[in-house]
Amino acid sequence: AQSVAQPEDQVNVAEGNPLTVKCTYSVSGNPYLFWYVQYPNRGLQFLLKYITGDNLVKGSYGFEAEFNKSQTSFHLKKPSALVSDSALYFCAVRDPLYGGATNKLIFGTGTLLAVQP
Amino acid sequence: DAGITQSPRHKVTETGTPVTLRCHQTENHRYMYWYRQDPGHGLRLIHYSYGVKDTDKGEVSDGYSVSRSKTEDFLLTLESATSSQTSVYFCAISSSLETGGNTQYFGPGTRLTVL
Repeated sequence: AQSVAQPEDQVNVAEGNPLTVKCTYSVSGNPYLFWYVQYPNRGLQFLLKYITGDNLVKGSYGFEAEFNKSQTSFHLKKPSALVSDSALYFCAVRDPLYGGATNKLIFGTGTLLAVQP
Repeated sequence: DAGITQSPRHKVTETGTPVTLRCHQTENHRYMYWYRQDPGHGLRLIHYSYGVKDTDKGEVSDGYSVSRSKTEDFLLTLESATSSQTSVYFCAISSSLETGGNTQYFGPGTRLTVL
């Protein structure tokens, strides 16, 4: 079955330290991968996506993600965390069963990032 | 929020009553989606639309119906609300024109409480 896993419910990091939010996937074929961020009482905001090409993808607010095909992972990273980065982060993969016909996404369960001052 | 509005933003209703949530977009995007968000489950797809009057079920469609009579509006109806449908509901849209891996953009959400 197609799936996305975010193994950590919560990640704690001190401000100024690098952060990593983990995501692994299980899909057939080439994956289209996405990261979204959700601030309290808000909708999801698109951060970045991987379709093809360079394994390191740069996105909004200084975030980047590294696609690793052999490890089936797409971890979100930032070199220096800010308190304002504290939010809920979702990884998603496009459902390969339908592909571009519907653009359906399969979401992970989310990881709460807490950045301490 | 990418030209997407949802109404109402908050609603409290009683078990057994019908409820309709509205999603309105100004982007003229082809695809529209309804999700629910619950702790420990992430986002789960309820229904989606790939064009006017073209809709299909998602993974948690039981107890929900949808309609899309024009490009800009996608309605989600709970025919007879139950307490298990207490959740935060998000609408999303996606273009058919974006090259490769079309991104979904989300509305601000509707918090529904069924007593």
